[in-house]
Amino acid sequence: NAGVTQTPKFQVLKTGQSMTLQCAQDMNHEYMSWYRQDPGMGLRLIHYSVGAGITDQGEVPNGYNVSRSTTEDFPLRLLSAAPSQTSVYFCASRRGQANTEAFFGQGTRLTVV
Amino acid sequence: SQQGEEDPQALSIQEGENATMNCSYKTSINNLQWYRQNSGRGLVHLILIRSNEREKHSGRLRVTLDTSKKSSSLLITASRAADTASYFCATDGNQGGKLIFGQGTELSVKP
Repeated sequence: NAGVTQTPKFQVLKTGQSMTLQCAQDMNHEYMSWYRQDPGMGLRLIHYSVGAGITDQGEVPNGYNVSRSTTEDFPLRLLSAAPSQTSVYFCASRRGQANTEAFFGQGTRLTVV
Repeated sequence: SQQGEEDPQALSIQEGENATMNCSYKTSINNLQWYRQNSGRGLVHLILIRSNEREKHSGRLRVTLDTSKKSSSLLITASRAADTASYFCATDGNQGGKLIFGQGTELSVKP
């Protein structure tokens, strides 16, 4: 099994450009989440989903959109990139029941210039 | 704001010594989890302790949980250079799917 796959691994955007960070998991997990990691800030939850068709906001949702049309995929969209969105983005998934561990992708390093 | 606050932010020890990291949180939880992150990589799950458990062991790892103080600690015994990484606590509350992370402790184990 591939686990959680994120693409791309690296991306440079210009301010105002849009892009989609892809996340796919092959473990049939109900729960999926997006985090951003900044130096000294740990991981902050952007959006999460408890199943196909259901999404909710996390701690820092502004500037990001998500959708969950299938169990496997949970893309994160930046509609108009800003330098403040320069960060490392992690996608995670876990089984949709109590007391389960999260599995993480390898991350996408995004730079907005 | 983040649920977990970790202490210390950075820890440097010699190989063979024990490393202790602490995590405090603010609201009620179903469980608390610890993760490890090697530089430039994704996070890897280490151990999960449920709210009705007080202590849990896994190899050289020992985790304690005090729900009355809303705090947890991770002890790594007999540290090795390969334990050098960042360690994060994460709380799993009553909102399904929402796992909130602390800021992490950066551990350096010198050979």
